[in-house]
Amino acid sequence: AQSVAQPEDQVNVAEGNPLTVKCTYSVSGNPYLFWYVQYPNRGLQFLLKYITGDNLVKGSYGFEAEFNKSQTSFHLKKPSALVSDSALYFCAVRDNTGTASKLTFGTGTRLQVTL
Amino acid sequence: DTAVSQTPKYLVTQMGNDKSIKCEQNLGHDTMYWYKQDSKKFLKIMFSYNNKELIINETVPNRFSPKSPDKAHLNLHINSLELGDSAVYFCASSQDSGDLTGELFFGEGSRLTVL
Repeated sequence: AQSVAQPEDQVNVAEGNPLTVKCTYSVSGNPYLFWYVQYPNRGLQFLLKYITGDNLVKGSYGFEAEFNKSQTSFHLKKPSALVSDSALYFCAVRDNTGTASKLTFGTGTRLQVTL
Repeated sequence: DTAVSQTPKYLVTQMGNDKSIKCEQNLGHDTMYWYKQDSKKFLKIMFSYNNKELIINETVPNRFSPKSPDKAHLNLHINSLELGDSAVYFCASSQDSGDLTGELFFGEGSRLTVL
């Protein structure tokens, strides 16, 4: 089965500094990778996806992610963090191994941005 | 207009009771999902329906029974509730399931507490 790993439970960064939230994947075949964000007491919101094409993917709220095939990684980045970016971030991979496509999520990384 | 709406938002009940959670999407999507998020924020897919047909059933106890009266609605009924059923249940929808390249749209979640 396809899977993603998020090695950090929490990432702390000061406002204005660049941020990185890490994700590595394990798939057979071409990976379809996604990032979602969850604010407190809310549902998940789509940020960006990699299907094919450019390795640098741009998404919502100034986030971007870099697909690295040799390192099997899909790290989420932002050049300048905002306090309002504080949330729970999930990496996900499309899993086609069953009867239908589904998204398999990582364990989530809590991003804390402080003044 | 809320794209994916779930009711109720909060549900507190006793062990052994039966309860239902309803979900509706007004996006015209073909596929709907139920995900369970446990106390550690881990997200796991439970069911998926495509045009009222069950296409994913992820080793969920028989006490959980989804029903899709039409492609805009997906309800979740839980019999004989147990303490371990306490979680946040998220409904989601997507344009199609055959080639899941697009995003999932999530509802706000239904927090179930079993006492």
